[in-house]
Amino acid sequence: DQQVKQNSPSLSVQEGRISILNCDYTNSMFDYFLWYKKYPAEGPTFLISISSIKDKNEDGRFTVFLNKSAKHLSLHIVPSQPGDSAVYFCAALNSNSGYALNFGKGTSLLVTP
Amino acid sequence: DAGVTQSPTHLIKTRGQQVTLRCSPKSGHDTVSWYQQALGQGPQFIFQYYEEEERQRGNFPDRFSGHQFPNYSSELNVNALLLGDSALYLCASSFETDTQYFGPGTRLTVL
Repeated sequence: DQQVKQNSPSLSVQEGRISILNCDYTNSMFDYFLWYKKYPAEGPTFLISISSIKDKNEDGRFTVFLNKSAKHLSLHIVPSQPGDSAVYFCAALNSNSGYALNFGKGTSLLVTP
Repeated sequence: DAGVTQSPTHLIKTRGQQVTLRCSPKSGHDTVSWYQQALGQGPQFIFQYYEEEERQRGNFPDRFSGHQFPNYSSELNVNALLLGDSALYLCASSFETDTQYFGPGTRLTVL
């Protein structure tokens, strides 16, 4: 069963606008969340993470928001750039029971000039 | 600073054969995890090695086995290959339980 869900397979955004990528999870024991970006023919690249004790974490143009009651997190990219076009994966782990990352299926982001 | 490296880049095998994939972790990392990514899916956790021992295992059959060497590099072995084993195999390294960083992957095709 898929414990991490990214329900939007694709998203198209104009350059300079905000990109919002969403992720939902079902396992309430998850306490650490990460976003990875993947270009074709490359491995996933770590972007940003957030612990369940926080509800927001920022790193430059990237901000991740966590809503624990809704079991929902989102990644905001502002402003979006054509180089941001990639597949974005949301991942979650339960640090008390192990170290396995549980991934969603990914969202393909296209930023158009 | 070299990142995570994997070899080979691509591999073609036939059903029933055995395959070995290799991974060298990022400098300073001591933990290696392996993931399988099928087409259109997110990566699925196979297992993690720390101090040359399998520390955690995902829902994969015993045909999947691994090893970690004293220099922290790792191998993933798959026996009796099935068509369904065709996938991108990703290695990730970390320092203990810190953030996992991925290599470029090995694309395995089973015919």
